[in-house]
Amino acid sequence: GENVEQHPSTLSVQEGDSAVIKCTYSDSASNYFPWYKQELGKRPQLIIDIRSNVGEKKDQRIAVTLNKTAKHFSLHITETQPEDSAVYFCAASSRGNNRLAFGKGNQVVVIP
Amino acid sequence: NAGVTQTPKFQVLKTGQSMTLQCAQDMNHEYMSWYRQDPGMGLRLIHYSVGAGITDQGEVPNGYNVSRSTTEDFPLRLLSAAPSQTSVYFCASSGQGGAYGYTFGSGTRLTVV
Repeated sequence: GENVEQHPSTLSVQEGDSAVIKCTYSDSASNYFPWYKQELGKRPQLIIDIRSNVGEKKDQRIAVTLNKTAKHFSLHITETQPEDSAVYFCAASSRGNNRLAFGKGNQVVVIP
Repeated sequence: NAGVTQTPKFQVLKTGQSMTLQCAQDMNHEYMSWYRQDPGMGLRLIHYSVGAGITDQGEVPNGYNVSRSTTEDFPLRLLSAAPSQTSVYFCASSGQGGAYGYTFGSGTRLTVV
């Protein structure tokens, strides 16, 4: 099945700086790649996603880039704010897009 | 429109007891899944369903059963609870023709003693 890995496991950034989280996946047939944000004690929430026919997608301060050849995709957060502190999960579709395989998550800490 | 509703929010079970975690959605979504979340392990898929009457196993199905008799409901049954099933359980649903843009429920925190 699909195997998704995230790096680094923990990332600390100064407020206002950029944060980048990278994920790799194993199944070349995967074609949908979402990112979820989970604040402490809350449910995961979708923040951005990308499909394999697109190389980059932006939504205000967040963007996702996809490199299908290398089988990796990245989350970019610019001008980080304290409310960006959370665990971020990447995922990749599998089994004909009927299920999502998640990475283990990245803890992002924004230092005021 | 309540979205995805999970009950109960908290539960303590004794080893060997059985119980059902409830999940209901009011968005007419076809796709529903159950995940468990453990520290350092991310979200692991237990079971999923692509429509009423259709279910399939995920990564960690042992010790759990599901059924999907209606579009709205997707209960998760623990047959004989074990301490290893102590976890936070999330139900998720999607109506976009696949596991796209899942909406998660608020979770059930289960402790097995």
